[in-house]
Amino acid sequence: KQEVTQIPAALSVPEGENLVLNCSFTDSAIYNLQWFRQDPGKGLTSLLLIQSSQREQTSGRLNASLDKSSGRSTLYIAASQPGDSATYLCAVPLADRGSTLGRLYFGRGTQLTVWP
Amino acid sequence: NAGVTQTPKFRILKIGQSMTLQCTQDMNHNYMYWYRQDPGMGLKLIYYSVGAGITDKGEVPNGYNVSRSTTEDFPLRLELAAPSQTSVYFCASSYSRNTIYFGEGSWLTVV
Repeated sequence: KQEVTQIPAALSVPEGENLVLNCSFTDSAIYNLQWFRQDPGKGLTSLLLIQSSQREQTSGRLNASLDKSSGRSTLYIAASQPGDSATYLCAVPLADRGSTLGRLYFGRGTQLTVWP
Repeated sequence: NAGVTQTPKFRILKIGQSMTLQCTQDMNHNYMYWYRQDPGMGLKLIYYSVGAGITDKGEVPNGYNVSRSTTEDFPLRLELAAPSQTSVYFCASSYSRNTIYFGEGSWLTVV
């Protein structure tokens, strides 16, 4: 069974800092990893999807890296803003190779607060 | 753009009651999913569907049932509600192996 761990569980930083959120998974036989953002009382929004053949993926101030061999992914947020405050979750598919994208194992998330 | 729509947003059930959480998507996605999220935990897959007429169990299916008669709709049925089913329920959809889209959630309390 795939287990996903996110560290830290919570993070509070002043505006402008560069941040690193960590995600680790136990089964390295994955074909993608996805990062999501969840705002209070809302659903999840997909931020970045990294295929197993990729090392990293970028979208604006966000950069996600993937190291399958070590079972780790990091989400880097540059020049953080108060609007970045949310919970960030990473997710990987179930270990069987026939899985669809949506059959995901989720970490518990990192709750990020960026204060002005 | 409606995306994935879930109803109701909030519901309180008594132990032993039954109810259906509705989910509809307007993106013509073939894959649909139901997840639950307990406080401070990640999401866990309850059931999923790869197309109309096809459903399968996820990680935590006990106490739930689903059906998929159309591409757009994927209702989740709770039979004989129990306090352990108090949670936030998320419906999601995707097209094949592309980005997954989530609804805004349904908060369910069983008392």
